[in-house]
Amino acid sequence: DQQVKQNSPSLSVQEGRISILNCDYTNSMFDYFLWYKKYPAEGPTFLISISSIKDKNEDGRFTVFLNKSAKHLSLHIVPSQPGDSAVYFCAAHAGGSNYKLTFGKGTLLTVNP
Amino acid sequence: DAGVIQSPRHEVTEMGQEVTLRCKPISGHDYLFWYRQTMMRGLELLIYFNNNVPIDDSGMPEDRFSAKMPNASFSTLKIQPSEPRDSAVYFCASSLGLMGEQYFGPGTRLTVT
Repeated sequence: DQQVKQNSPSLSVQEGRISILNCDYTNSMFDYFLWYKKYPAEGPTFLISISSIKDKNEDGRFTVFLNKSAKHLSLHIVPSQPGDSAVYFCAAHAGGSNYKLTFGKGTLLTVNP
Repeated sequence: DAGVIQSPRHEVTEMGQEVTLRCKPISGHDYLFWYRQTMMRGLELLIYFNNNVPIDDSGMPEDRFSAKMPNASFSTLKIQPSEPRDSAVYFCASSLGLMGEQYFGPGTRLTVT
């Protein structure tokens, strides 16, 4: 059972436009959420995170929004750049003794020049 | 720092053979994680260590899989005997603290024929 779901396997956007990547989760115990970015032949790298006590976190061109009631989070990239083309993984954990980072299957973002 | 180092980068072996994957975490990190990435299941946590001690191995798929961390700078993941369904990319990651940012290695792509 996938506790973290990324329902769009791929997304294509034009350079300069907004990219919106979505993630849904089912485990109500999750209280911390992360986005990782992965280039081919490399390991995932941490991008941005958000605690369940917040509904928005911003870091430069990247903003993560959390809607706890809907168990939904999204990553916005504005403006999108060709170098943002990568696989983006959503991840979550419950913290404490139940710590276990659970990942979605990823969304391949392609930013076209 | 060179980051997390994994070897080999690619491994092709025949069914029934023993496979050993290696990981050197970032110096000073006290947590080490082994993940497996497949198309069907995405990125899954197999096991993690704290100060060389295995803490949670509930993600290890079966007894054919074993992991060790003999010292702070080295860990192995062993599959014996290997099967074609073990074909995947195996990632090692390390962090400072359980909730610290996880730094991933480049992964080992394993193919079992």
